[in-house]
Amino acid sequence: DAGVIQSPRHEVTEMGQEVTLRCKPISGHDYLFWYRQTMMRGLELLIYFNNNVPIDDSGMPEDRFSAKMPNASFSTLKIQPSEPRDSAVYFCASSSGGPLYNEQFFGPGTRLTVL
Amino acid sequence: EDQVTQSPEALRLQEGESSSLNCSYTVSGLRGLFWYRQDPGKGPEFLFTLYSAGEEKEKERLKATLTKKESFLHITAPKPEDSATYLCAVQGGGADGLTFGKGTHLIIQP
Repeated sequence: DAGVIQSPRHEVTEMGQEVTLRCKPISGHDYLFWYRQTMMRGLELLIYFNNNVPIDDSGMPEDRFSAKMPNASFSTLKIQPSEPRDSAVYFCASSSGGPLYNEQFFGPGTRLTVL
Repeated sequence: EDQVTQSPEALRLQEGESSSLNCSYTVSGLRGLFWYRQDPGKGPEFLFTLYSAGEEKEKERLKATLTKKESFLHITAPKPEDSATYLCAVQGGGADGLTFGKGTHLIIQP
């Protein structure tokens, strides 16, 4: 199994530009999570989907952030317009859910730098 | 609001020197407590899930234990390759996302 795939691995952009991060979950997993990691705040949950439907987006910092999951094998996290304080590592994770509280498998992350 | 506090923030040990990492938590209806390992530049890698107080799990030199208020990750006779950041997370009732602590950065010196 290829694991969770994220692209790009690194993104450098200028303030005000639109940024799109991409994620392919593990095949067969029905939960998908987006997290953000910074030195100050650690790993924080932004939003998660179950069967392609957004369930909880209370962690999305503001309206500049949006996420979609058009099908079971693809999700995007978009920031428009980007700001320097959005600089962080963004992780996507997936899990199979079900009656057991199964572990979440993380991708390698996208390191975003907003200048 | 679920909260996770890990201590110490950093720990430096000599190879073979056993120790424990602490994870204190407050959660409404614990569904699971998770330990992850994170290497620099990589995503967290799953280690253990604990579901109820008294439960223990082992993997090579690592053993995780759980009480009603905290979890410990015991490292026995560590090797340099055990150097990493160890993250603790909880999954509370009614939520599927994880609440993470800030981690313990562990360095094992040869």
